[in-house]
Amino acid sequence: GIQVEQSPPDLILQEGANSTLRCNFSDSVNNLQWFHQNPWGQLINLFYIPSGTKQNGRLSATTVATERYSLLYISSSQTTDSGVYFCAVEGGSEKLVFGKGTKLTVNP
Amino acid sequence: NAGVTQTPKFQVLKTGQSMTLQCAQDMNHEYMSWYRQDPGMGLRLIHYSVGAGITDQGEVPNGYNVSRSTTEDFPLRLLSAAPSQTSVYFCASRHQGTRGYTFGSGTRLTVV
Repeated sequence: GIQVEQSPPDLILQEGANSTLRCNFSDSVNNLQWFHQNPWGQLINLFYIPSGTKQNGRLSATTVATERYSLLYISSSQTTDSGVYFCAVEGGSEKLVFGKGTKLTVNP
Repeated sequence: NAGVTQTPKFQVLKTGQSMTLQCAQDMNHEYMSWYRQDPGMGLRLIHYSVGAGITDQGEVPNGYNVSRSTTEDFPLRLLSAAPSQTSVYFCASRHQGTRGYTFGSGTRLTVV
């Protein structure tokens, strides 16, 4: 099945810094989503982005489907950005496959 | 309120007990699925359904049963709980014509 790798596994930032999270996937996809899991465990859908670029406030994402990767950019990070960021993809099946996540800690 | 509702939020079971984790959505989504989340493993798909009366296995289906008698509900059954099933369980749904998933708030299950 399709494989999803996220990097880095852990990231520690000072408030105000920028960061880039990466997601590599092993096959063509028709669905790619980025999620944020907050410290209380809630999963929040950030972007549905199988290709192209999207922006939402301080967050933006780019997926280059032909090269099988996606990037999540966080600018001017805040302590509330802390948590785990997951990339998840669907290939030809109806199965959403998750990466293991990037744990982000933003210190004040 | 529109969304995916999971109950209970917390549960402790003894080995060998059975229970059902409930999942309901009021968005008329055709697709529903169950995931388990273990430390360092991300989320792994247990079972999914593309519509009422249709279910299929995911990556880690052993020890779990599902059924889909209505569009709204997708319960997950543990017939004989084992300590290896200690995990956080998430239910998710989406409309068949779109790809954006909505997740429930999770059920934290401990099997002792």
